[in-house]
Amino acid sequence: DVKVTQSSRYLVKRTGEKVFLECVQDMDHENMFWYRQDPGLGLRLIYFSYDVKMKEKGDIPEGYSVSREKKERFSLILESASTNQTSMYLCASSLGGLAGAQETQYFGPGTRLLVL
Amino acid sequence: AQSVTQPDIHITVSEGASLELRCNYSYGATPYLFWYVQSPGQGLQLLLKYFSGDTLVQGIKGFEAEFKRSQSSFNLRKPSVHWSDAAEYFCTQGGSEKLVFGKGTKLTVNP
Repeated sequence: DVKVTQSSRYLVKRTGEKVFLECVQDMDHENMFWYRQDPGLGLRLIYFSYDVKMKEKGDIPEGYSVSREKKERFSLILESASTNQTSMYLCASSLGGLAGAQETQYFGPGTRLLVL
Repeated sequence: AQSVTQPDIHITVSEGASLELRCNYSYGATPYLFWYVQSPGQGLQLLLKYFSGDTLVQGIKGFEAEFKRSQSSFNLRKPSVHWSDAAEYFCTQGGSEKLVFGKGTKLTVNP
């Protein structure tokens, strides 16, 4: 089974802090994604990556950056956390070879971030 | 731009009753369609997907969905709901661009 793990289930940070959310997948997938999930808004894509050291902006990249130094790890960085970044963050991965939107994505359990 | 509409924000059914969750997509060409389920406090899990071929698709946990091009719909069904099916369900559309998620339908199951 594909396993996608996220470093924290719950996180509380203060406004202005730099926040790192880590995601690791164990199935040698090429593609990795970061989403945020908010009530009534569904899932929105923040960033995605089709290869090591490669990244593409999603629909809502403002205030975020990402890093993919190794194939299995995809990090989401909040450079200066703000209260409007309080949300559930979901990481996902997919096999690769096709466009990311044509493949099954496998999701981690999510990190619920509260910014005070 | 692609969009996915799930008209029902919240549905309540009794255990053992049948279930249909509605989904409409907007993309013109044959889309890549998925249904995901999210149990409370968990990530999303794939229930089923449709890319081409037979328009009735079987998934896990006894779910099925039917692709109807004429109605731009991909409704999810289950003949008899179990209490463990209480969750949030997301219809999702793919293709050449990013996945587009519907806003979700929350299912409550009464005993």
